[in-house]
Order: sequence, then structure tokens, then C-alpha cells
Amino acid sequence: GEDVEQSLFLSVREGDSSVINCTYTDSSSTYLYWYKQEPGAGLQLLTYIFSNMDMKQDQRLTVLLNKKDKHLSLRIADTQTGDSAIYFCAESYNQGGKLIFGQGTELSVKP
Amino acid sequence: NAGVTQTPKFQVLKTGQSMTLQCAQDMNHNSMYWYRQDPGMGLRLIYYSASEGTTDKGEVPNGYNVSRLNKREFSLRLESAAPSQTSVYFCASSPGLGTDTQYFGPGTRLTVL
Repeated sequence: GEDVEQSLFLSVREGDSSVINCTYTDSSSTYLYWYKQEPGAGLQLLTYIFSNMDMKQDQRLTVLLNKKDKHLSLRIADTQTGDSAIYFCAESYNQGGKLIFGQGTELSVKP
Repeated sequence: NAGVTQTPKFQVLKTGQSMTLQCAQDMNHNSMYWYRQDPGMGLRLIYYSASEGTTDKGEVPNGYNVSRLNKREFSLRLESAAPSQTSVYFCASSPGLGTDTQYFGPGTRLTVL
């Protein structure tokens, strides 16, 4: 079945780069997403990557996709305290419209 | 545009009580979804509606019913609440099914005593 795995916690210092990792099992995924959830709020779409791409850059965010290893990462450059949140990766595919979410990685940014 | 709105924001129920969670979107999206979020488990799909007039089960539908009232509104009903249904519930919508990006509401925090 489908499964998406993430590590639960990451702590970095302000100004450093953060790298959040995700592995997935469904090779038929067509899009892979990163969502951000701030405390008490809903999920906000950060970025996504189509499965035939290797990399996507969007300002401070870089998404890398290794299809062979089914590994997705989100790099946040110059991490700020406002980036502290839970980050979810999710995969979707053309069957039923489901998004399969990872457990979420809680990013803590220390000044 | 308000995007996706949900009511109520918080709710406390006793075991066996019923309630309906409301969701509305103003983006003219065809597809709508209900998820629950539990600690350490990410979000799990309860039900979804591909288009007005259709609903389908997701990963964890037991104990829930849904109604797609019109294109804008998709409600989730708990007929007899159980403590295992204590969770944060998120509604989402997307232009269509499959690969379209989903947009989320702010969530409803439900506690069942």
C-alpha cells in the first residue's frame, strides 16, 4: 500500500539551512507536495514537484526528487524563526484524488 | 475570497452525541475532502466528493457520514460520537480530482469525552 515517511523533529539555528526528508512508496505518484502547518492553523501549500522533475527552486525553497530511491527533500535556505512549523510531504496520484501524507516534521528554529 | 471556511473552530461532545461539521469553499472547486489529523499520524482521508452529487469513502470512513449539499458546501456528520473520534478535522477543496492542488481550511478541534 501507499506509505509516506518523515522524521518527526528537526532543530536548526537561525540563518542555517534546513533539510527535511521524506520517503514514499508509490512509484505511480504524479505530484509530490510540501505543506506547512503553523500552530493552530490549517495546512498551507508551500510548493510541489511533478514526478518527472528532479529539482524545483522557489525563492528560499529547493525541492529535490530522487525517483529511483523514492526520496523527496525540502531545503529551506537562511532559515528564520518564522519558519518554525510542522512540514508535511504528501503524494498524489490519479486514483481517487487522495493525498497520502507523511506524519509531519516539526521544525524548530533557535535564534 | 475567503477560500475554505470551517465551523465550528472548537467543539466538545459527550460520547453518543451527534454533530455536523460544516465546510464551504468559494473558489468554485469541484472536489472537496474531509481529513482527520492525529498526533504522529499525519492527515488521513475520511471521505471525499469528486463533484456535486457524489461522495466516496476514504481511508477511515467508519463512524462518519457526509453530504455534498451543493458545489460550495460539504458537511461531515458524526451520528454517535466516540472518544476515538477526538481529533482535528480539516476540510479541503481542489479544482478536480487526482493531481490538482488541495487547499485547506483552518480546522475544527473536536474533543469527545
